[in-house]
Amino acid sequence: QVQLQESGPGLVKPSQTLSLTCTVSGGSISSGSYYWSWIRQPAGKGLEWIGRIYTSGSTNYNPSLKSRVTISVDTSKNQFSLKLSSVTAADTAVYYCARSRGDSVGGMDVWGQGTTVTVSS
Amino acid sequence: EIVMTQSPATLSLSPGERATLSCRASQSVSSSYLSWYQQKPGQAPRLLIYGASTRATGIPARFSGSGSGTDFTLTISSLQPEDFAVYYCQQDYNLPWTFGQGTKVEIK
Repeated sequence: QVQLQESGPGLVKPSQTLSLTCTVSGGSISSGSYYWSWIRQPAGKGLEWIGRIYTSGSTNYNPSLKSRVTISVDTSKNQFSLKLSSVTAADTAVYYCARSRGDSVGGMDVWGQGTTVTVSS
Repeated sequence: EIVMTQSPATLSLSPGERATLSCRASQSVSSSYLSWYQQKPGQAPRLLIYGASTRATGIPARFSGSGSGTDFTLTISSLQPEDFAVYYCQQDYNLPWTFGQGTKVEIK
């Protein structure tokens, strides 16, 4: 079955760009009709949806982060990525990647284990 | 954006008891686009219910979902020790997708 694994630096300096990758195993990222999302969770708090990329490459972002977020896909590596620019301490969180059906009916059924990113100098 | 409000924030119950969790949306959400997740400490969320009432693969029958429009409910018929966790509702009817703030089900 499909599995997701996040990777990237655990420590990012303020004002720099946070870059994370989600590797898809057990299936092709370009097969079927799916959305691939990023979600984050500050310690002790709730979940915030950051944005998604469709199998075709089209993207949608949370307006609260839209000016700083870029999500892209690399089908040759079976990966999709998150870039968040101009980070501050408020961006410190566990970052998850997740999959959902292209018609959005079915919830986010596959999640990565999450990766902790700390923004600090 | 659609704001999802969950209540109560914390539910203190004993094993074997019935848990009823509420999720209210700030505007109507098609039932097809309402999901529930369970999250245990240090773990990623796990999909429990989608389409407001359909159990995800491998989810025990003691978990059930209901509701429509703006009011949705997750019911755990008889709490098992492994069910004590935080539960989130989520809508993917409108962008941006949004989650409730969570309900913690704790052991009384």
